[in-house]
Amino acid sequence: EAQVTQNPRYLITVTGKKLTVTCSQNMNHEYMSWYRQDPGLGLRQIYYSMNVEVTDKGDVPEGYKVSRKEKRNFPLILESPSPNQTSLYFCASSPHPGQGKETQYFGPGTRLLVL
Amino acid sequence: EDKVVQSPLSLVVHEGDTVTLNCSYEVTNFRSLLWYKQEKKAPTFLFMLTSSGIEKKSGRLSSILDKKELFSILNITATQTGDSAVYLCAVSDSWGKFQFGAGTQVVVTP
Repeated sequence: EAQVTQNPRYLITVTGKKLTVTCSQNMNHEYMSWYRQDPGLGLRQIYYSMNVEVTDKGDVPEGYKVSRKEKRNFPLILESPSPNQTSLYFCASSPHPGQGKETQYFGPGTRLLVL
Repeated sequence: EDKVVQSPLSLVVHEGDTVTLNCSYEVTNFRSLLWYKQEKKAPTFLFMLTSSGIEKKSGRLSSILDKKELFSILNITATQTGDSAVYLCAVSDSWGKFQFGAGTQVVVTP
């Protein structure tokens, strides 16, 4: 089944404790992206990647890191989480923006609580 | 600064009504506008629009883009309770960035 998977789905952590949220897609998509969703603010893009080893900042990259060493994986790293990073996080992938293939497929979401 | 604004923020309608959702945008190097439906889980894709004036339809849903006036509308006719959701508008630029609006919450009552 074609899908985007995220792990963990739920996470409670404490301020300053490094964490990684994994994202994997099995559709051979070139483009992957991370978003956070907060009430009243919609989805805000954190980082995106047009292809392996290519990553760019979205609108809210502060406090986050990403890497794209393989096409299928795009982990989100919070080196020192803070309470303002409590949010619902979505990973998404699409075949290739710019060729009429911007349709993004979203993972199930990861709900993060930072105490 | 790029921005996407959706209106209204929320609305309540009765089954059978027609709903019109609005999305206006200011984005440098516009590439496409997309509509998604979100029901307490991940957004699911509805439409992608790249050309002005060409209506896209899927069942009771339709959407159109006006690149001159920088807006799009999403119409839902003969609404059903299953249409209750948050509808998200997103705009992509030529560098791969996506900007989402805050969404419109639609509640369809029986």
